[in-house]
Parts: sequence; C-alpha cells; structure tokens
Amino acid sequence: EVQLVESGGGLVQPGGSLRLSCAASGFTFSSYEMNWVRQAPGKGLEWVSYISSSGSTIYYADSVKGRFTISRDNAKNSLYLQMNSLRAEDTAVYYCARDALRSDYWGQGTLVTVSS
Amino acid sequence: DIQMTQSPSSVSASVGDRVTITCRASQGISSWLAWYQQKPGKAPKLLIYAASSLQSGVPSRFSSSGSGTDFTLTISSLQPEDFATYYCQQANSFPYTFGQGTKLEIK
Repeated sequence: EVQLVESGGGLVQPGGSLRLSCAASGFTFSSYEMNWVRQAPGKGLEWVSYISSSGSTIYYADSVKGRFTISRDNAKNSLYLQMNSLRAEDTAVYYCARDALRSDYWGQGTLVTVSS
Repeated sequence: DIQMTQSPSSVSASVGDRVTITCRASQGISSWLAWYQQKPGKAPKLLIYAASSLQSGVPSRFSSSGSGTDFTLTISSLQPEDFATYYCQQANSFPYTFGQGTKLEIK
C-alpha cells in the first residue's frame, strides 16, 4: 500500500524556520517525482515545489523561492522541505504528493502556523 | 506563469443532476491538465489526468474533455459523495498552478 506521511509542522514565529519531512512507503520512491502543495486555512490549493526522481531538477513557486529548499533522500525514502524566513502568509497545511503530472497519492498533510 | 480560472466558483445541485465545471488556462497547455476532488479536512484526490484520462478507481460518471486553453469536468449523475470542492491544475509548465476551486454544494 502506498503511503505518504508528513511530519515536522508546528507553530513558529515569523522569521523562523521549520523542516518538513515526508516518509514514503509502498512504492519505489526513487522512481517518482515529488511535489509539495499547500493550502492556507479556508483557501485553495497552491503548488509549492517540485523535485525530480533523482533530485537533479527542482522548481519553486515564486512565493517561496529563495526561502524554501526541497530535497530528497532516496536511500531513506524521504522527501523534505526546509522552510526559512517564514511569514504569516506561509501558514497552511502542507501536503507531499507523488508524481507531478498526475499526483495520485497524497499525504494527510502537516499544519504549519506562523505567528508571534 | 499560467493562470487557471475555474467557473463557477460555487454551484448548487441535487442528487442525480448533471454538473459541468469549466477551467480556462491563460495560455495553451495542450492536454496537461488534471482534476482533483477535495473534501473538508482531507487531502485532494486525483480524478482525471492528461485532460481526459480517468484515474483508476474513479467512477465513470466523472468525465473531462478539452485541450489547449478550455477544459470541462462533467459529473453525469451526482451522488451524495460527490459534494466537494474541485480543482483543476495545469502541468504544462512550472509553476504548476491550480484553479481557485469550485465548491459543489447540495441544493
């Protein structure tokens, strides 16, 4: 069974940092592209970042470019999102999702709250 | 960046109704479009990919068509479990933008 489990969310002050993790199981993680998608409370979905299966190709939304870093460890079947210089507008549920063209599996999400 | 515009933003319908949601891209995206369904407190669920391909396990009452800039998602006969929010997403070029969502409510 394919599973994606996010962790690492929580309450952080503006300007602070958090590192989200996504643990993958039930499929060959190293064969799949991965994405992070977020959803602010009561709002729609926002694509955040993409990483290729090897990690060699990466893209970011303009809203997080220069502040967030996506990475993966294929040996550990894990995806990461390092979030620095956090702002109130980064408050959201963050989802990891398998594949880019057709995100067929999603995690349950982890809530990040940026507030003083 | 490619902007995705869905209409309507919300729609009320009854069980058994046929409902159509449209998604328009600000520039051509060929068939690089996916549709997702999201229920409150849950992760999105993939319904359609490549504009018209039904994801495995998704009921055949869901269908989609279109290419280029204009796309439609049709639910042929609404079931109680279909009341949710629907999003389109373009996968033609990064950033992979979503539409703003269409909330399907019970009339």
